[in-house]
Amino acid sequence: DQQVKQNSPSLSVQEGRISILNCDYTNSMFDYFLWYKKYPAEGPTFLISISSIKDKNEDGRFTVFLNKSAKHLSLHIVPSQPGDSAVYFCAASATGGFKTIFGAGTRLFVKA
Amino acid sequence: DAGVIQSPRHEVTEMGQEVTLRCKPISGHNSLFWYRQTMMRGLELLIYFNNNVPIDDSGMPEDRFSAKMPNASFSTLKIQPSEPRDSAVYFCASSMPSTQYFGPGTRLTVL
Repeated sequence: DQQVKQNSPSLSVQEGRISILNCDYTNSMFDYFLWYKKYPAEGPTFLISISSIKDKNEDGRFTVFLNKSAKHLSLHIVPSQPGDSAVYFCAASATGGFKTIFGAGTRLFVKA
Repeated sequence: DAGVIQSPRHEVTEMGQEVTLRCKPISGHNSLFWYRQTMMRGLELLIYFNNNVPIDDSGMPEDRFSAKMPNASFSTLKIQPSEPRDSAVYFCASSMPSTQYFGPGTRLTVL
């Protein structure tokens, strides 16, 4: 049972445009959400996070939106750059729990 | 800080052989995680430790897999005997608490 789902295995975007990566979750106990970015031959690196007490968190070109009622979060990258091409993992955890559940990842291609 | 260190970076072995993957977490982090990444299943959590104690090993695929954390600065993931379907990239991560920091991974190929 996948508790964190990234239904789009890949996404292709033109440089300068907005990239929107989506993630759905099923466990209502999750209250902390993260996005990780992974380049080939490297481990995933933390990108941005959001607590369930917020509905938006912004860090430079990256913004994460959380819709708790829909159990949905999204990562917006504006403007997209070729260096953003990577696999993006959505992840979720619950307060007091050590376990973070990851989605299967979305591969983003940003075309120059 | 050197980050999470994993060794070896690449391992090629033959079916039936024992494989040991190693991890050194970031100093001061009290949780350690082992993941496996495959094309089909994405990033799967195999096992995690808190303060060197295994908390949840429900993700370990079968008895051929075992993990230990003898002290706060070292952990191993062992596969014995290895099978071709174990071929994947294995990541170690550490955290304190919510945000995990990943090592570069070990790419395992079992022929």
